[in-house]
Amino acid sequence: KQEVTQIPAALSVPEGENLVLNCSFTDSAIYNLQWFRQDPGKGLTSLLLIQSSQREQTSGRLNASLDKSSGRSTLYIAASQPGDSATYLCAVPGANSKLTFGKGITLSVRP
Amino acid sequence: EAGVTQFPSHSVIEKGQTVTLRCDPISGHDNLYWYRRVMGKEIKFLLHFVKESKQDESGMPNNRFLAERTGGTYSTLKVQPAELEDSGVYFCASSRTGGGDTQYFGPGTRLTVL
Repeated sequence: KQEVTQIPAALSVPEGENLVLNCSFTDSAIYNLQWFRQDPGKGLTSLLLIQSSQREQTSGRLNASLDKSSGRSTLYIAASQPGDSATYLCAVPGANSKLTFGKGITLSVRP
Repeated sequence: EAGVTQFPSHSVIEKGQTVTLRCDPISGHDNLYWYRRVMGKEIKFLLHFVKESKQDESGMPNNRFLAERTGGTYSTLKVQPAELEDSGVYFCASSRTGGGDTQYFGPGTRLTVL
């Protein structure tokens, strides 16, 4: 059974800092890994989808890496801004497409 | 292109009552998923439709939950009778194909059972 872990549960950083959010998963037989963002009271916004054959995927100030063999992914946020404050979730699909989520990391970027 | 929409955004009901949640997927997306997040827990899968057929309903908690997708368009999730532990946020997602295709999520319905 796939389990996804995100530690720590919360993170507070000053504006401008580069930061790394971690995600680990127990079953390395994955198709891909998705990073989502959730703002309070809102739905999930897909940030990046990194295929199992890829090592990195970039979108603007965001960079996601994937190491299947070690069961880890990281989301790197460059030059963080207060608008980056949100909960970040990672999720992996099983063979039947259903996503297994981590609990998320709540990020607060202080001005 | 309109995103996934869900109705209502909030619902407060008493234990024993019935509630029906609705999800409209992105047009052309055959795959529709329901997920739920209860307080303090991770988001968990409930079920997956491919067009009007239930592909996987292994995450449905019990027979008080009934999901339908008539005609392969919008879907409803009915909880009858609702219990306190059903409180949480119910998310719907859709994707064009299965097999790990990007799933696009709706804003969720926050259900509170008193």
